[in-house]
Amino acid sequence: ELKVEQNPLFLSMQEGKNYTIYCNYSTTSDRLYWYRQDPGKSLESLFVLLSNGAVKQEGRLMASLDTKARLSTLHITAAVHDLSATYFCAVDPGAGKLTFGTGTRLQVTL
Amino acid sequence: DVKVTQSSRYLVKRTGEKVFLECVQDMDHENMFWYRQDPGLGLRLIYFSYDVKMKEKGDIPEGYSVSREKKERFSLILESASTNQTSMYLCASSLRGHEQYFGPGTRLTVT
Repeated sequence: ELKVEQNPLFLSMQEGKNYTIYCNYSTTSDRLYWYRQDPGKSLESLFVLLSNGAVKQEGRLMASLDTKARLSTLHITAAVHDLSATYFCAVDPGAGKLTFGTGTRLQVTL
Repeated sequence: DVKVTQSSRYLVKRTGEKVFLECVQDMDHENMFWYRQDPGLGLRLIYFSYDVKMKEKGDIPEGYSVSREKKERFSLILESASTNQTSMYLCASSLRGHEQYFGPGTRLTVT
């Protein structure tokens, strides 16, 4: 059974600081997704990582994938309040089904 | 833009009622999915479908059934609602091998 673990579960950080969210998974997969969810809203796709060593960047967020270590990271650079949300990683072991991590709730304070 | 719509944003039902949650996508996606989201548990897959009239059980199918009579529409059915089915229900669709796009969610309360 595929397990996907995110840490930390909750992250409070000041504006301007850097931090990394980690996503570990238990079985081989070449596809990993990062989603963002604002309170009361649905999930919005952020990144699709399709191969070992893949790196994607959008604004202050950068995601990477190491399939050998079964690890993905979401790095936040110089956080701003607008990044406050819950972030989920999701792993596709094949056939298009996703297993989600429990999410990291990010709170960026002034 | 991909659009996934769900029939209700909020729904309140009584224990034992039959509940229908509808999901429609407009991008001709083959795959459709139903998840429930609960605090501390993330998203859990209930059922999914790869094609019309096809369905596969996800991780937590007990107490639920689904119907996919048309490619664009995927329905989740709670045959006899119970209080432990109070949750946020999210529908998603995707092309085969591609990212999933999510609907706005239905917050269901069973009293």
